[in-house]
Amino acid sequence: NAGVTQTPKFRVLKTGQSMTLLCAQDMNHEYMYWYRQDPGMGLRLIHYSVGEGTTAKGEVPDGYNVSRLKKQNFLLGLESAAPSQTSVYFCASVSGGAGEYEQYFGPGTRLTVT
Amino acid sequence: AQSVSQHNHHVILSEAASLELGCNYSYGGTVNLFWYVQYPGQHLQLLLKYFSGDPLVKGIKGFEAEFIKSKFSFNLRKPSVQWSDTAEYFCAVNNKAAGNKLTFGGGTRVLVKP
Repeated sequence: NAGVTQTPKFRVLKTGQSMTLLCAQDMNHEYMYWYRQDPGMGLRLIHYSVGEGTTAKGEVPDGYNVSRLKKQNFLLGLESAAPSQTSVYFCASVSGGAGEYEQYFGPGTRLTVT
Repeated sequence: AQSVSQHNHHVILSEAASLELGCNYSYGGTVNLFWYVQYPGQHLQLLLKYFSGDPLVKGIKGFEAEFIKSKFSFNLRKPSVQWSDTAEYFCAVNNKAAGNKLTFGGGTRVLVKP
């Protein structure tokens, strides 16, 4: 199993550009999450999904959109990037089965918006 | 809304010293508690978790944590640290009632001097 993978690993955008981050998991997990990590603030939840075709807002959803068209993929979109979105983005997934609460994290995407 | 507080932002130790990192959470319901570690340049890895049962849980690499329900605390300990324990440590609380979302503390950077 590859676990949770993220594409790309690094990206530099100019203000106003758009991009999509891809998260893929091969563990047949129901739940998927997008976080951003900023110094001193831990990880903050952007959006999450409790199953294929569903999405919900997290703690810091503004400026981001997501889609979960396939169970194994969770896409995070930035329609018009801003410097405040410079961050490291982590995707995670959870099985969703009874008693299965551990989140498995991807390797992260480092995004810089200039 | 639940929240997680990690009281120490930075800790500097010498090898063989003992480590204790504090974590307090605010949430009135049943909780699952986690400690994650992030080594420099890497993604988050699970150190240990508490779901139920014995409040003293043992994790990987000699770490342990104690859940004290009356104090809403889940402190992480290691009796004797090594240089390789240099990393950032995150405490997290799971909200089973809301999509298994994790709320993270702000993290504690630990530097172990050889």
